[in-house]
Amino acid sequence: DIQMTQSPSSMSASLGDRVTITCRASQDIGNYLSWFQQKPGKSPRRMIYGATNLAAGVPSRFSGSRSGSDYSLTISSLESEDMAIYYCLQSIQYPYTFGAGTKLELK
Amino acid sequence: QVQLQQSGAELAKPGSSVKISCKASGYTFTSYYISWIKQTTGQGLEYIGYINTGSGGTNYNEKFKGKATLTVDKSSSTAFMQLSSLTPDDSAVYYCARGQLGAWGQGVMVTVSS
Repeated sequence: DIQMTQSPSSMSASLGDRVTITCRASQDIGNYLSWFQQKPGKSPRRMIYGATNLAAGVPSRFSGSRSGSDYSLTISSLESEDMAIYYCLQSIQYPYTFGAGTKLELK
Repeated sequence: QVQLQQSGAELAKPGSSVKISCKASGYTFTSYYISWIKQTTGQGLEYIGYINTGSGGTNYNEKFKGKATLTVDKSSSTAFMQLSSLTPDDSAVYYCARGQLGAWGQGVMVTVSS
């Protein structure tokens, strides 16, 4: 199975900060990388697909990028509603595999 | 709008089985696979497998072979997952999701306890 190594596992940031979360794949996944946001008691919500594409209805402060086998989710200016756990997912090969998650908290 | 409505929480005894459902609406059911995902505090999110809603063909994560059985009823636009020989390790929230996981159900909490 493809391993997705996500970092950091948790972080705290202030409102208005620029925040970046990273995932690294254990083998080539091309652009088959998605990012999900999960708030307490809710289902995961897809934010980014195809490594860089913003899902419908997602605020433009969210963006995805790729550099080789490293994939990043960036929030350009953190808002209070962004506090959540974020997961990456590879979907090039079954079984799909998720990163372990990054818990984003307010400083 | 696209909706995946899952059945209610389950409390089951060790060794028993449960069958949870995922009813789709707002789109052509057979145009997208339905995937199933397990979430626990300790193991995070795990992909169980998917069912081709048109053909009924399935693909399982090796880890869940023999544990999960995926089926579909096209007439009611509903996908099902049966979990068998339950143990406390099967206690989790189980989600269904459409296609490349662009839409998710609300999740079903399964608790296995004697």
